[in-house]
Amino acid sequence: AIQMTQSPSSLSASVGDRVTITCRASQGIRNDLGWYQQKPGKAPKLLVYGASSLQSGVPSRFSGSGSGTDFTLTITSLQPEDFATYYCLQDYSYPLTFGGGTKVEIK
Amino acid sequence: EVQLLESGGDLVQPGGSLRLSCAASGFSFSSNAMSWVRQAPGKGLDWVSGISGSGGSTNYADSVKGRFTISRDNSKSTLYLQMHSLRVEDTAIYYCAKGTGYNSGTLDYWGQGTLVTVSS
Repeated sequence: AIQMTQSPSSLSASVGDRVTITCRASQGIRNDLGWYQQKPGKAPKLLVYGASSLQSGVPSRFSGSGSGTDFTLTITSLQPEDFATYYCLQDYSYPLTFGGGTKVEIK
Repeated sequence: EVQLLESGGDLVQPGGSLRLSCAASGFSFSSNAMSWVRQAPGKGLDWVSGISGSGGSTNYADSVKGRFTISRDNSKSTLYLQMHSLRVEDTAIYYCAKGTGYNSGTLDYWGQGTLVTVSS
């Protein structure tokens, strides 16, 4: 199975900060990667698919980049509602695999 | 509006069985792959199983292969997960999620989850 290594596992940031989260795949996955946001007690929500395509309705301050093995989720100008846990998911091959998650907390 | 409603979660003893259901509405069910994803208490997301739109192709995480079976009834727009030989480590919230295409692993809609507790 493809392993997804996500970093950092947690970070503290302030409203207005720029935040970057990375995922590294154990082998090349083209651009078959999505980013998901999960708030406490809620189901995950798709933010980005195909590594860089923004899901409908997601604010433009979110962006994704990368291909092959290295991927990045960037949040420009962090907003109060963005404090959550973020996960990457590779859908290049089965079994699908998630990264370990990044908890974004308020500084 | 796409809706996914899971049911069937319960408290079960180790070694027991359980069947989860996910009733879907608001989209052409047979056109989309579906997945089950679980989350143990305080832990991250863990993909469990997926099935193509027709049901002809199924996939499993190694941790559940041979114990869990995914299936779907397209006439009822319902996804299932039959779980046997349950272990304490299977305790989790189980989410069903819709793929964006016939055999896609991009999951664009999720249910609210159903809790499975495996304990004696």
